[in-house]
Amino acid sequence: GAVVSQHPSWVICKSGTSVKIECRSLDFQATTMFWYRQFPKQSLMLMATSNEGSKATYEQGVEKDKFLINHASLTLSTLTVTSAHPEDSSFYICSARDVVKAGTEAFFGQGTRLTVV
Amino acid sequence: AQTVTQSQPEMSVQEAETVTLSCTYDTSESDYYLFWYKQPPSRQMILVIRQEAYKQQNATENRFSVNFQKAAKSFSLKISDSQLVDAAMYFCAPSEGAQKLVFGQGTRLTINP
Repeated sequence: GAVVSQHPSWVICKSGTSVKIECRSLDFQATTMFWYRQFPKQSLMLMATSNEGSKATYEQGVEKDKFLINHASLTLSTLTVTSAHPEDSSFYICSARDVVKAGTEAFFGQGTRLTVV
Repeated sequence: AQTVTQSQPEMSVQEAETVTLSCTYDTSESDYYLFWYKQPPSRQMILVIRQEAYKQQNATENRFSVNFQKAAKSFSLKISDSQLVDAAMYFCAPSEGAQKLVFGQGTRLTINP
């Protein structure tokens, strides 16, 4: 099956610094990728939809200047958490779908555990 | 906007028994897809089963099957012959075309040996 690789798996950063998370589709082209945030023992909350070659679409309540998304190629989307603070600590997951094939499953990255100290 | 409700925060079942996880959703679309994903302790999201809304026949995948009631907007998951590896969080997710997945709150399934 298709593989989505997310890097890094975990990261610890100091408050006020920025952190970049990468999401790559390894064997298919993903014109659209999705970024989720998951708090402990909770569901996945969609943050934004990343569109190749255009601006991301953010869900209501998600600060676009805080969570910068870049989707510069058909296989790579990045999420940058800018000026991170302890409340940004969470588990971030990306996913990608082959949008040519409607209804196909979404493939997920392994997730990134972010800890801001 | 789609909404998804999983009314069972936790479920437990004896090994080899059958368990059913419930899911209801709301959508204005007539053509859509429904998914069940599981998230084991590794936190990797894994597809369990998929259902196309235009198909009346319920999807099955080995020990996993669904009861899809389109008019009632219900999409339950039945796990037969439960095994220890089935222990995980289970999420129901409707999707319109190839667009985003909206997840329910999840059901934590425990398998008792």
